[in-house]
Amino acid sequence: DVKVTQSSRYLVKRTGEKVFLECVQDMDHENMFWYRQDPGLGLRLIYFSYDVKMKEKGDIPEGYSVSREKKERFSLILESASTNQTSMYLCASSPAGNSNQPQHFGDGTRLSIL
Amino acid sequence: DQQVKQNSPSLSVQEGRISILNCDYTNSMFDYFLWYKKYPAEGPTFLISISSIKDKNEDGRFTVFLNKSAKHLSLHIVPSQPGDSAVYFCAASGRTGANNLFFGTGTRLTVIP
Repeated sequence: DVKVTQSSRYLVKRTGEKVFLECVQDMDHENMFWYRQDPGLGLRLIYFSYDVKMKEKGDIPEGYSVSREKKERFSLILESASTNQTSMYLCASSPAGNSNQPQHFGDGTRLSIL
Repeated sequence: DQQVKQNSPSLSVQEGRISILNCDYTNSMFDYFLWYKKYPAEGPTFLISISSIKDKNEDGRFTVFLNKSAKHLSLHIVPSQPGDSAVYFCAASGRTGANNLFFGTGTRLTVIP
């Protein structure tokens, strides 16, 4: 079974802090993704990566950056946290592209910015 | 612009009856469609998928139907069980390099015992 592990289930930070969200997958997947889920808006893609050190912007990258130094680990960084970044953050992974394979998700990190 | 739409935010069904969740999409380049189920405080779990070369895919109590001409898909759950109560997300992919998925806004299904 694919295991995607997010380092924290709940996190509370203050406005202006630099926040790191970590995600690790154990299936040697090439692709990794970061989403945020907000009520009435579904899942929105922030960033994704299809290889080590590669990254691509998703639909809502503003205020975020990512890092992928190792294949199994994909980090989301909030450079200067703001209250509108309070949300549920979900990490996912999938095998390399051009194959109909579902993305597998972690359990999410509920982040509150005060 | 939302490319995948779930117009019903919620649905209530009696246990044992059929649940039908609907999804519409606008991008004709989408060729792979998925349904995910999500319980509170958990990540989405893959449920069932369908490729655009098919119009139906069945897995136990779950069946997904695809109508390409109408750009519409639906998920049927028969019979519905209380444990099916969750938020269901429809998603679509267009075979980009990283299998990017476009998600709908979700439908909260409540199965009443």
